[in-house]
This record gives sequence, C-alpha cells and structure tokens, in this order.
Amino acid sequence: GQQVMQIPQYQHVQEGEDFTTYCNSSTTLSNIQWYKQRPGGHPVFLIQLVKSGEVKKQKRLTFQFGEAKKNSSLHITATQTTDVGTYFCAGSNSGYALNFGKGTSLLVTP
Amino acid sequence: NAGVTQTPKFRILKIGQSMTLQCTQDMNHNYMYWYRQDPGMGLKLIYYSVGAGITDKGEVPNGYNVSRSTTEDFPLRLELAAPSQTSVYFCASSPQETQYFGPGTRLLVL
Repeated sequence: GQQVMQIPQYQHVQEGEDFTTYCNSSTTLSNIQWYKQRPGGHPVFLIQLVKSGEVKKQKRLTFQFGEAKKNSSLHITATQTTDVGTYFCAGSNSGYALNFGKGTSLLVTP
Repeated sequence: NAGVTQTPKFRILKIGQSMTLQCTQDMNHNYMYWYRQDPGMGLKLIYYSVGAGITDKGEVPNGYNVSRSTTEDFPLRLELAAPSQTSVYFCASSPQETQYFGPGTRLLVL
C-alpha cells in the first residue's frame, strides 16, 4: 500500500533560522495536504496541493508539490516561537482517505 | 458552529472493559474518520465513513467497531480494551478532502 515518509523526524532551530520538512510517497498522489499540530493539540489543516509542480505561499510558509506528484516540502522562513509544533504531510490517491507521514516536530528556541 | 466535538477528553480503562468514544460534527460533512495517534507516530486510520449507513475499515481496525446512523455522529466502540489500545484518538470530518479534527480523546488502558 501507499506509504508516506517524512524527514526529518525532529528539528531544533534558533528563532530566525529557516526550516524545511520533506515528504515522499511510494506512489503518485492525487493531492497532498499539510497539517500542523501544536503540542497537546489536534491537527489543523494548512494547505492542499493538487497540481504537478505547484507552489503555494502562506506568509512565511512555502509549500511545494513535486513534478512527479510523489514528493512535497514545507519551508518556513525566519522561524518564530509560534511555529513550534509537529508538521504532518498527508497524501491521497483515492479521494477521501489520507495517509499521514509520521510528522516533523519543530522546536524553536528564542 | 462547534465543529467536531469528542467526548470524553480523557478515560482510564481496565483491560477487558468496553467503552464508546463519541464524535459529533455540525458541519453537515458526509465524510468522517477515526484515527489513533501513538507517541512519535503519525495518524493511523482506524475506520472511516462516506455517509450515513456506510462505514469501511482503515489501516488498523482490529479491536474497534463503528456505526454511522446519522450524518452528525460517528461513535467508535472498543469491546475488550487492551493495553495496546492506549493512545490518543482523533475524530475528523470533511466535506471532500480537507479534514477537520476534533480535540481528541486520551485513552489509557491498564
């Protein structure tokens, strides 16, 4: 079955540094979604990418979907302490069921 | 809108006991899901439903049962609790692909 791998598992940065997490699927995806989970909280939807090579930006966050629709990345520019949490990618090739990666936990120290 | 609500927030069960985790959404979403999240892991799909009266197994359905008699409610039943079912359980709903998560139920089986 489809597997979604995410690296790194953990990342510790100083406030102001950049951060990137990468997501790779064993199969071609119809779309990929990104979620953020704050410590003790629940996953919250950030964005969905559908098109090959798509790039979307949300303020300091940049999301990319690979040309082959098998990989994706999330880049945060100049991290802030409010960026702390775990970032999950979730791939879909069947429409409604998502396969989540294990997530990248980001720690930002001031 | 309250969104997705889950009860209880926290529960301790003895081995062999049974319980129902409740999930309700007021967004009139057709799709609903149950996930479990273990420490350091992503979200694993237990069961999902594409509409009232329709349910299907996810990646890890053993030891659980669900029903979907109404659009709003999607309860998850544990019949014979085992220590391996200690986890955080998230319910989610979606209109199509983007998923909206409830606050979660933390379950400890001793």
